[in-house]
Amino acid sequence: SQTIHQWPATLVQPVGSPLSLECTVEGTSNPNLYWYRQAAGRGLQLLFYSVGIGQISSEVPQNLSASRPQDRQFILSSKKLLLSDSGFYLCAWSQASGGNQPQHFGDGTRLSIL
Amino acid sequence: RKEVEQDPGPFNVPEGATVAFNCTYSNSASQSFFWYRQDCRKEPKLLMSVYSSGNEDGRFTAQLNRASQYISLLIRDSKLSDSATYLCVVNGAGGSYIPTFGRGTSLIVHP
Repeated sequence: SQTIHQWPATLVQPVGSPLSLECTVEGTSNPNLYWYRQAAGRGLQLLFYSVGIGQISSEVPQNLSASRPQDRQFILSSKKLLLSDSGFYLCAWSQASGGNQPQHFGDGTRLSIL
Repeated sequence: RKEVEQDPGPFNVPEGATVAFNCTYSNSASQSFFWYRQDCRKEPKLLMSVYSSGNEDGRFTAQLNRASQYISLLIRDSKLSDSATYLCVVNGAGGSYIPTFGRGTSLIVHP
């Protein structure tokens, strides 16, 4: 069966520090991969998605970036964090079938910026 | 008009009650539909897909009305453990890989 791993679960970082969140998927190949952010009491905001290695689409302009160095690895990064980057970051995957498949989420990373 | 709209609630119901949520979507080309459940400070988890003919999974029934562009979720015999936020998701408009999430409907089941 397929599993998705996301770490760390919790992170506290100072303003201006770098960020690297990692997500890996097991048990499937060529998945679609997604990064979301959820601010407290708010809905899910799609940040990036990827349909293949090295293919990244950005949904919102910001100081974050994403990379997909391997088929089942998706990384969210920032060179300098802002206070507004605080939130609950979720990685998700879906089967690559033209958009008709549900997404499956990792446990999430709760990021607090001080 | 937002692409996917849900009543945020909260819906406050007693144990054993039947409760229904609706979710409207704006893109008539949307192809697939899902309901997710999200507990406080946790990730969303797939509850059920929504099929054109309607489908049932235990106490949960999902329906799709393409003509009026909404999906619904019916929960029968509510349990305390059903308390959560329920998110509707609309996929695949025009072959897009990008799902659209509603903001969620909060359900509180009390004794």
